[in-house]
Amino acid sequence: DIVMTQSPLSLPVSPGEPASISCRSSQSLLQSNGNNYLGWYLQKPGQSPQVLIYLGSTRASGVPDRFSGSGSGTDFTLKISRVEAEDVGVYYCMQVLQSPRTFGQGTKVEIK
Amino acid sequence: EVQLVESGGGLVQPGGSLRLSCAASGFTFSDYYMDWVRQAPGKGLEWVGRIRNKASSYTTEYAASVGGRFTISRDESRKSLYLQMNSLKTEDTAVYYCARWRTTLDYFDNWGRGTLVTVSS
Repeated sequence: DIVMTQSPLSLPVSPGEPASISCRSSQSLLQSNGNNYLGWYLQKPGQSPQVLIYLGSTRASGVPDRFSGSGSGTDFTLKISRVEAEDVGVYYCMQVLQSPRTFGQGTKVEIK
Repeated sequence: EVQLVESGGGLVQPGGSLRLSCAASGFTFSDYYMDWVRQAPGKGLEWVGRIRNKASSYTTEYAASVGGRFTISRDESRKSLYLQMNSLKTEDTAVYYCARWRTTLDYFDNWGRGTLVTVSS
């Protein structure tokens, strides 16, 4: 199975400040078609997860442009340019290259 | 509007069985792959399994932790997804979400609100 490792696991951020979450996979998620098979999801308190980024760097419909995904192969980053109060929750990376699909442990973002 | 509504959760004893349902509406259910994802209390997300659509012969995949005990099925006429859970263990205690898979772009684009399964004596 592909192991996904996120860091940090907890991230206190002041409003308006940037935030960055790292995700590393135990195998390359880059395919010959140039796609990285990695997504980012946010689970807000008391809610179901929602997609933010797919295929490594494509922002899903309706996701604010302060969210961006980057990286390739085994190293990926989710960046929030300016954190807002509504961004609190747990962020998960997920590899979709192969079965079983696997998630990172989650990174809890909270407002200072 | 796409809606996924899970039901069927509850308290069950170890070794028991339970069947979860996910009612889909607002989209052409038969076109999509559908997955189950679970979340143990206070823990992260764990993929449980998938059922593909008719075009992909309704093939299924499972996580090793549930293979041989859980079965995913679907009823196109009822626009429903099912998770039959047998030989339940305490570690199966979790909120179970159904999720719609966006095949060409490879991500979950809609999730239900989940149903809680508690396995305890």
